[in-house]
Amino acid sequence: GIQVEQSPPDLILQEGANSTLRCNFSDSVNNLQWFHQNPWGQLINLFYIPSGTKQNGRLSATTVATERYSLLYISSSQTTDSGVYFCALGTGANSKLTFGKGITLSVRP
Amino acid sequence: DAMVIQNPRYQVTQFGKPVTLSCSQTLNHNVMYWYQQKSSQAPKLLFHYYDKDFNNEADTPDNFQSRRPNTSFCFLDIRSPGLGDAAMYLCATRGQPGAIGSNQPQHFGDGTRLSIL
Repeated sequence: GIQVEQSPPDLILQEGANSTLRCNFSDSVNNLQWFHQNPWGQLINLFYIPSGTKQNGRLSATTVATERYSLLYISSSQTTDSGVYFCALGTGANSKLTFGKGITLSVRP
Repeated sequence: DAMVIQNPRYQVTQFGKPVTLSCSQTLNHNVMYWYQQKSSQAPKLLFHYYDKDFNNEADTPDNFQSRRPNTSFCFLDIRSPGLGDAAMYLCATRGQPGAIGSNQPQHFGDGTRLSIL
């Protein structure tokens, strides 16, 4: 099956700092989503981005499908950004998602 | 405004006592998925329905079953829960792709956290 690798595994930031989270994958995909899982376990969809670039407030994402990677940018980080960030890739006719192991982000005040 | 609704948010059951988790959706999506997420791990797909067609993942234990009586509802049944089945269970839906080559994102519910006593 498809391999998904996220880096770095852990990230500690001071409030206000910027960061880049990376997702590498091993095969072509028909779906790529970035999620933020908050401390209550809710999985919040950040971006649906199988290719191209999107922005939503302080967050933006870029996927270069031909080179099999995606990047999530967080600018001016806030303590509420803390949590686990997952990259998930969809393959096959029913686009079943395979999740990376996640990146644990801690933003300190 | 929740579009994928999971009930209950927290479920406690006894070792070996059957339990059912429910998921409903207001999106009229034809694909519904169940994922299991154990502590400090990534979500892992258990099975999915494409309309009424059930698709089981190869490594999903026989202890886990699912029912989809109509488009809106999908249930996860755990016949004899063991301690290792304690986890967050996430339901997701996806709509029909549009034009050839396009796709749709998956929409997740808030999950049900299952504890086994």
